[in-house]
Amino acid sequence: DQQVKQNSPSLSVQEGRISILNCDYTNSMFDYFLWYKKYPAEGPTFLISISSIKDKNEDGRFTVFLNKSAKHLSLHIVPSQPGDSAVYFCAAPLRGGKLIFGQGTELSVKP
Amino acid sequence: DTAVSQTPKYLVTQMGNDKSIKCEQNLGHDTMYWYKQDSKKFLKIMFSYNNKELIINETVPNRFSPKSPDKAHLNLHINSLELGDSAVYFCASSQTLLISGTGDFGTQYFGPGTRLLVL
Repeated sequence: DQQVKQNSPSLSVQEGRISILNCDYTNSMFDYFLWYKKYPAEGPTFLISISSIKDKNEDGRFTVFLNKSAKHLSLHIVPSQPGDSAVYFCAAPLRGGKLIFGQGTELSVKP
Repeated sequence: DTAVSQTPKYLVTQMGNDKSIKCEQNLGHDTMYWYKQDSKKFLKIMFSYNNKELIINETVPNRFSPKSPDKAHLNLHINSLELGDSAVYFCASSQTLLISGTGDFGTQYFGPGTRLLVL
C-alpha cells in the first residue's frame, strides 16, 4: 500500500521558470512532511519540511504547500536552475522515525 | 568532514556469500537507520536503532542483521546473499526519534549509499 505517492516520474522545465513537484498521501496520521533531493550516486539530502499545522513553508527559492483536506503537498522551485536537476522525494514520518517515501520525481532543468 | 559515511561504496559478490556494510556518523546523533532502494527506486526502511537499541525491524529477512557497537556506528551484515538483495543500501542518522503528537521530527541525514550487486 503506497501511503505517499508521486505520480509524475519526471518533469522538465526551462531555466528561470517555476518547477512544481506534486505529492499525495493517504495516511491521515501523517503530521509532518519532508522533501529530499537526490543526485545520482549520492544519498538523499534534506531540502525542506512542513508541519501539518501550517499550509506553507518557504526557504529561499523553495516553497512547500500543504493542502490537508486534499491530502496533497507540492514543492515549488522559483526560479529553477540547472543545478536543481535531481530526483526529488516526498516523505512523511511515522512513529519511531520510519520515513515513508514517495517514488520520486526526476526534475530536469534545461538551460 | 563527511557527516554520514558508508563503506564500501560498491560491493560485487557471488550468491551465497556473507558481506558487511559499515556506517558511521559524526553528527552526535542518537538514532541511525538502514534503508534499501530497490531497482524500482523505492526507498524503504529496514532498521532503526536508538542509542544502540533496535527500534524498527521492518519485516526484513533474518539473513540481514544490523549491529550497533556504539551510537556512532550501525553496521549491516548480510548472510547467504541472494540475487534479490542487489540494491543500493543507505545509512542515515537523526538527532532524535519522531516524537508523536508534537510534529517534531529528527531530520534524517543520509550517507552516500552502498551499491550491492549479487551475481
